[in-house]
Amino acid sequence: DTVLTQSPALAVSPGERVSISCRASEGVNSYMHWYQQKPGQQPKLLIYKASNLASGVPARFSGSGSGTDFTLTIDPVEADDTATYFCQQSWNDPWTFGGGTKLELK
Amino acid sequence: QVTLKESGPGILQPSHTLSLTCSFSGFSLSTYGMGVSWIRQPSGKGLEWLASIWWNGNTYNNPSLKSRLTVSKDTSNNQAFLKVTSVDTADTATYYCAHTGLGAGISFDYWGQGVMVTVSS
Repeated sequence: DTVLTQSPALAVSPGERVSISCRASEGVNSYMHWYQQKPGQQPKLLIYKASNLASGVPARFSGSGSGTDFTLTIDPVEADDTATYFCQQSWNDPWTFGGGTKLELK
Repeated sequence: QVTLKESGPGILQPSHTLSLTCSFSGFSLSTYGMGVSWIRQPSGKGLEWLASIWWNGNTYNNPSLKSRLTVSKDTSNNQAFLKVTSVDTADTATYYCAHTGLGAGISFDYWGQGVMVTVSS
């Protein structure tokens, strides 16, 4: 299986820029997607195919990368962005998720 | 507007079969490129893709669950189904269904609210 590795947690101040990384154990082309999940809610798609903003998602969110290294950037961070962020690949079978990065605001 | 909603038993006993229904609107599972996927999440833990079914009837299961999974659809009634046989406590989780489309890079672009399933004797 393709293992997706994310840092467990990050803490940033509102107004700052934050980058959340996801490293794949093997290439996933550009088929990397990013989700935001707040406590008690279902995940929400933010970015699909590495760099495409999902419908209704603020332009503060952006994605980059290809192959094995991907990044989700939030700039500027707002208080409402407190959540866990998951990456997910759909290039290799089975589709897999990263363990999630919990973003906390200082 | 795409919406999805899961329904299921809530609690069931070990060794029994879990049957879940995903009722959706805003798209048709007979339209090219449309699919429904099932994903689960144990409380406080990460996400695991389970299975997907596509407009053409093709299905894909996560091999980690071996042959325990069956996914199907009722196109006329806008529903998709997941069966998990021989459940045990490790299957306790919130189960989500999600719209999956070729147009969004095979991502899960719309999610249901999830249904909590507890396996307990």
